[in-house]
Amino acid sequence: RKEVEQDPGPFNVPEGATVAFNCTYSNSASQSFFWYRQDCRKEPKLLMSVYSSGNEDGRFTAQLNRASQYISLLIRDSKLSDSATYLCVVKDSQAGTALIFGKGTTLSVSS
Amino acid sequence: DTEVTQTPKHLVMGMTNKKSLKCEQHMGHRAMYWYKQKAKKPPELMFVYSYEKLSINESVPSRFSPECPNSSLLNLHLHALQPEDSALYLCASSQARQRLTSNYGYTFGSGTRLTVV
Repeated sequence: RKEVEQDPGPFNVPEGATVAFNCTYSNSASQSFFWYRQDCRKEPKLLMSVYSSGNEDGRFTAQLNRASQYISLLIRDSKLSDSATYLCVVKDSQAGTALIFGKGTTLSVSS
Repeated sequence: DTEVTQTPKHLVMGMTNKKSLKCEQHMGHRAMYWYKQKAKKPPELMFVYSYEKLSINESVPSRFSPECPNSSLLNLHLHALQPEDSALYLCASSQARQRLTSNYGYTFGSGTRLTVV
């Protein structure tokens, strides 16, 4: 199975900063894309799905570029509570309905 | 009920022990998954069950034996594990019939933190 690659991080930013995470996927058959958030010693939780048209949920904006096989997540006005690991996730035909996770990028927001 | 429940939350076992991890959901999901997550690593897919049948085994060693006794339950039987098998074991569920392009939700359990001594 081919991989999902993410910025290694960690990203250390002050409150109020804007931060962007990038992700690339190597399997062009990948069809569904997500950003998950995982807090320390907790399970991953869906942050948002990613669509070609781009989508926004409050301070979070996700973009997908199928031609470049590139996914991004933008967080505006960072809060302390945004500190977590952000996982880029794809679903592709080789894994059936299963999700394939990138290695994750750790974000630390400080006051 | 929109939860996936995993038991136990923590487990310490010796290398000669036999133990089982349990996962339960009542959302009518017919696809269930086991993932293994080591510290500072992403979850890695182990097994996929679809309609109570094993559909994917990601070359997992035979000391891990999955079982899906019914549509709500998923077990992972453990035998003769090694210390390097210590990890967080996550169960998840989803709809089994979904278009590949669907962004259908997956629900994860809170995991079982396993330590092999």
